[in-house]
Amino acid sequence: NAGVMQNPRHLVRRRGQEARLRCSPMKGHSHVYWYRQLPEEGLKFMVYLQKENIIDESGMPKERFSAEFPKEGPSILRIQQVVRGDSAAYFCASSRLTITDTQYFGPGTRLTVL
Amino acid sequence: GESVGLHLPTLSVQEGDNSIINCAYSNSASDYFIWYKQESGKGPQFIIDIRSNMDKRQGQRVTVLLNKTVKHLSLQIAATQPGDSAVYFCAENPYNQGGKLIFGQGTELSVKP
Repeated sequence: NAGVMQNPRHLVRRRGQEARLRCSPMKGHSHVYWYRQLPEEGLKFMVYLQKENIIDESGMPKERFSAEFPKEGPSILRIQQVVRGDSAAYFCASSRLTITDTQYFGPGTRLTVL
Repeated sequence: GESVGLHLPTLSVQEGDNSIINCAYSNSASDYFIWYKQESGKGPQFIIDIRSNMDKRQGQRVTVLLNKTVKHLSLQIAATQPGDSAVYFCAENPYNQGGKLIFGQGTELSVKP
């Protein structure tokens, strides 16, 4: 049973470009969460999605960031017009249920903005 | 606002000793707590969890203790091994905030052979 898959593992973008991060949840999991981790810090919640719905985006910046989890295919975190401050590790987690169900994390995408 | 914090940023132990990693939380609405282990360059790995109706839970070589009175959580690792070296995060899941986890800063555990 494959775990949470994320790709790419490493992504380098120049300022002003777009970054697309993909996440495939574990089999049987319909809840996806995105977190961001800055160097030497803990993970910070960004957004929580179910299939075709954004449930909670309270941790996601209002501008340049968007997320989706379509009926078919992986969840996508999209960052438009990246800036150096977007450089971080972005982790996706999935759970079978929500609210007190275990979240399992993927290996992360490390975004570097030049 | 709510926060989850750790008392010590680093912990160094001798191989074979027991390790104790502490965590304080401030959100009284939290009713689910998880410990994750993160090795360098990897994603957080689930270790053990505990719900607020319990005060202790044991796994393989690990024990989590929850003290709701003082809002304190600890992770005990028995017979620590070099493979246990990593950063350990506690996370809380407030029942009134949907499914999001609130993470602490992390404690780096270093095991000396």
